[in-house]
Amino acid sequence: NAGVTQTPKFRILKIGQSMTLQCTQDMNHNYMYWYRQDPGMGLKLIYYSVGAGITDKGEVPNGYNVSRSTTEDFPLRLELAAPSQTSVYFCASSLVRSGELFFGEGSRLTVL
Amino acid sequence: AQKITQTQPGMFVQEKEAVTLDCTYDTSDQSYGLFWYKQPSSGEMIFLIYQGSYDEQNATEGRYSLNFQKARKSANLVISASQLGDSAMYFCAMREATNAGGTSYGKLTFGQGTILTVHP
Repeated sequence: NAGVTQTPKFRILKIGQSMTLQCTQDMNHNYMYWYRQDPGMGLKLIYYSVGAGITDKGEVPNGYNVSRSTTEDFPLRLELAAPSQTSVYFCASSLVRSGELFFGEGSRLTVL
Repeated sequence: AQKITQTQPGMFVQEKEAVTLDCTYDTSDQSYGLFWYKQPSSGEMIFLIYQGSYDEQNATEGRYSLNFQKARKSANLVISASQLGDSAMYFCAMREATNAGGTSYGKLTFGQGTILTVHP
């Protein structure tokens, strides 16, 4: 089982560039989440989705967009990258609202 | 106000000894869940243990146990017989049943983490 797969694992962006972090899960989970982790800090929720076609903002959504066209995929789009978006990004999923979150391995993004 | 507070930025323990990592939480919900995750230096998030607010017994998973004191709103992680491989960052997290505007949809709120170092 692949679980939750994120790509790319590392990326360096210039200020103002855009990119998409890909996330796919093969566990048929309805709930998916994007978190960011700044150095030495806990995780903060960016966006989440409760099923295909349904997304909503988390705690720190500014500068990001998401879509959920299928159950498996939940890409995170960064528009006009800024140094403040330098972080490690984690995608996660859960089968039910009360279940544990399964995390991807993380994507380390640096904006210079 | 912080929903999840981990007051120990760093902890040290001798190999084979037990260690307790503190976590306090703040919620007005009656139904909630508490989680502990481990993040080794490689960066992945590893689920360790879960405690539901209605669970009467403290959760245990192998060498991990959760000391749940509901009245004090604390959910401390106890690691028994520490191993060198336990050296990592540990996060406490909470899922509330509801938040402003309705259901939490399974979202976890994380604490700042505690770095545990196990000495040989």
